[in-house]
Amino acid sequence: EDQVTQSPEALRLQEGESSSLNCSYTVSGLRGLFWYRQDPGKGPEFLFTLYSAGEEKEKERLKATLTKKESFLHITAPKPEDSATYLCAGHNNAGNMLTFGGGTRLMVKP
Amino acid sequence: KAGVTQTPRYLIKTRGQQVTLSCSPISGHRSVSWYQQTPGQGLQFLFEYFSETQRNKGNFPGRFSGRQFSNSRSEMNVSTLELGDSALYLCASSLQLSNEKLFFGSGTQLSVL
Repeated sequence: EDQVTQSPEALRLQEGESSSLNCSYTVSGLRGLFWYRQDPGKGPEFLFTLYSAGEEKEKERLKATLTKKESFLHITAPKPEDSATYLCAGHNNAGNMLTFGGGTRLMVKP
Repeated sequence: KAGVTQTPRYLIKTRGQQVTLSCSPISGHRSVSWYQQTPGQGLQFLFEYFSETQRNKGNFPGRFSGRQFSNSRSEMNVSTLELGDSALYLCASSLQLSNEKLFFGSGTQLSVL
């Protein structure tokens, strides 16, 4: 059974304090590892897809990396508007089902 | 380009009732997936429809069903509601079947009393 585990569950940062979010996965025939951002009262918003170990993708203050067992979302010099829940999900080769982790709730204080 | 539209936004029902939720995908998107989100279980896959046919199904009881129309709009139905069905139900659309880039709607918040 596919499993995706995220840590920490919650993370409080001061504005400008860089950190990383972790996503450990066990997904059979991984076709892609996804990162989404979810704001309160909204659906998840797509951030990145990573396909192979060693791959990296960047968007503004966010950088996602992938190894054979984990993915990291690095947040550099975060701002209060980066506060949200960050979800990672694995897409297996059996179908279109995404297996989501429980998410990391990020709070960035000014 | 309009995003994924889900209606209604909020719904309150009582145990034993049934409910129908609606989803209009992004124009041109042919695949619609449904997910249930709860604080305890997180996001869990319900099912996916493509060309009016259910293509994938998650591990939910038969009380949860869905359908897709020829214009790609989709509905999901939950019969004989239970308290544990209280959740945010999210619809996501994508261009093709098994296309991993999903675009989510804002969801329907269902409360079962």
